Amino acid sequence: AQRVTQPEKLLSVFKGAPVELKCNYSYSGSPELFWYVQYSRQRLQLLLRHISRESIKGFTADLNKGETSFHLKKPFAQEEDSAMYYCALSGRGFGNEKLTFGTGTRLTIIP
Amino acid sequence: DAGVTQSPTHLIKTRGQHVTLRCSPISGHKSVSWYQQVLGQGPQFIFQYYEKEERGRGNFPDRFSARQFPNYSSELNVNALLLGDSALYLCASSPGGADTQYFGPGTRLTVL
Repeated sequence: AQRVTQPEKLLSVFKGAPVELKCNYSYSGSPELFWYVQYSRQRLQLLLRHISRESIKGFTADLNKGETSFHLKKPFAQEEDSAMYYCALSGRGFGNEKLTFGTGTRLTIIP
Repeated sequence: DAGVTQSPTHLIKTRGQHVTLRCSPISGHKSVSWYQQVLGQGPQFIFQYYEKEERGRGNFPDRFSARQFPNYSSELNVNALLLGDSALYLCASSPGGADTQYFGPGTRLTVL
């Protein structure tokens, strides 16, 4: 069974401080990993996808297959980063594209 | 492009009733997926359709059904509503089955 665990429901960080949102996964195979973000009163949107290796809004995430983790990081938090963050995974190949989400972490940036 | 659209925005039903939720994908997208998001939880996969055929089904009872039309829009139907079906129902579209999924704003269903 595939599972995504986000251990922190709430995380508060001061502006300018580093941010790390934790994500661990369980999957028998080679999954694709994602971070989705939902800003206040907006729809869920893709923040980054591990295969693209892009840095979006200063966020990066490294896939650690040994620790089965995909933690989201940003060196200097900004107030506009306050949002709900969801880690998700999908399988590969026909019929395996469904997204499995974690329970989410609400990030609050303190001015 | 308005992105993925869903209707209605909000819906209130009573137990035992039936509901139909609608989704229009981004133009050119051929795959639509449905998710249920209960308060305090992440979205949970219900169905995926690609080129009008079911491509995946989550762990939901047979009361839940869906279909995709020739224009790639989709409907999610839920019969014999239970209180526990109260949730935000999200639709997501993607160009193909394995591409990035783009989410709609959701339909908030309340079952009384």
